[in-house]
Amino acid sequence: GENVEQHPSTLSVQEGDSAVIKCTYSDSASNYFPWYKQELGKGPQLIIDIRSNVGEKKDQRIAVTLNKTAKHFSLHITETQPEDSAVYFCAASSAYGGATNKLIFGTGTLLAVQP
Amino acid sequence: DVKVTQSSRYLVKRTGEKVFLECVQDMDHENMFWYRQDPGLGLRLIYFSYDVKMKEKGDIPEGYSVSREKKERFSLILESASTNQTSMYLCASSPSGTGTSFGPGTRLTVT
Repeated sequence: GENVEQHPSTLSVQEGDSAVIKCTYSDSASNYFPWYKQELGKGPQLIIDIRSNVGEKKDQRIAVTLNKTAKHFSLHITETQPEDSAVYFCAASSAYGGATNKLIFGTGTLLAVQP
Repeated sequence: DVKVTQSSRYLVKRTGEKVFLECVQDMDHENMFWYRQDPGLGLRLIYFSYDVKMKEKGDIPEGYSVSREKKERFSLILESASTNQTSMYLCASSPSGTGTSFGPGTRLTVT
């Protein structure tokens, strides 16, 4: 079945620096790749997603890139702020446009932004 | 915004008890999911449902069952709770294809 690997497991950056989190997936049929942010005591919140027909997507300080050939995708956060500190999860699904969006998640990255 | 609510934020149960975790969503979504979250393992899918009375096993269904009698409600049942089921349980819902939204989670401790 589908497997998603996520690196690094922890990441510490200085405020204002950039942060990059990388994921690889195994199922070449995967066509939908969301990223979630989970703050302490809360459920994961969708922050950005990308479909397989797009190579890059940007929303203010966050961006996601997708390399279908290599089967990897990355989350980029620029000008990090302390409120970006959280656990970030990548996920993959082959159900975009289909019936059930069953997501397979990576193991998470704990991002700490030092003021 | 989609709202997914879970009946309890924290729950403490004894080994062997039958446990019910309830989830309700207010956006008429077809799909509902139960995940468990453990440190270092990410989110793992227990069961999901794509319609009323329909259910499918996820990656770790052993020891769990589910019920979906109404479209907005999806229940996770631990028939006989065990200590290895101590975990954070997350309910989610989505329309077909994209946009999964999560509830706040239920932290279950089995002693």
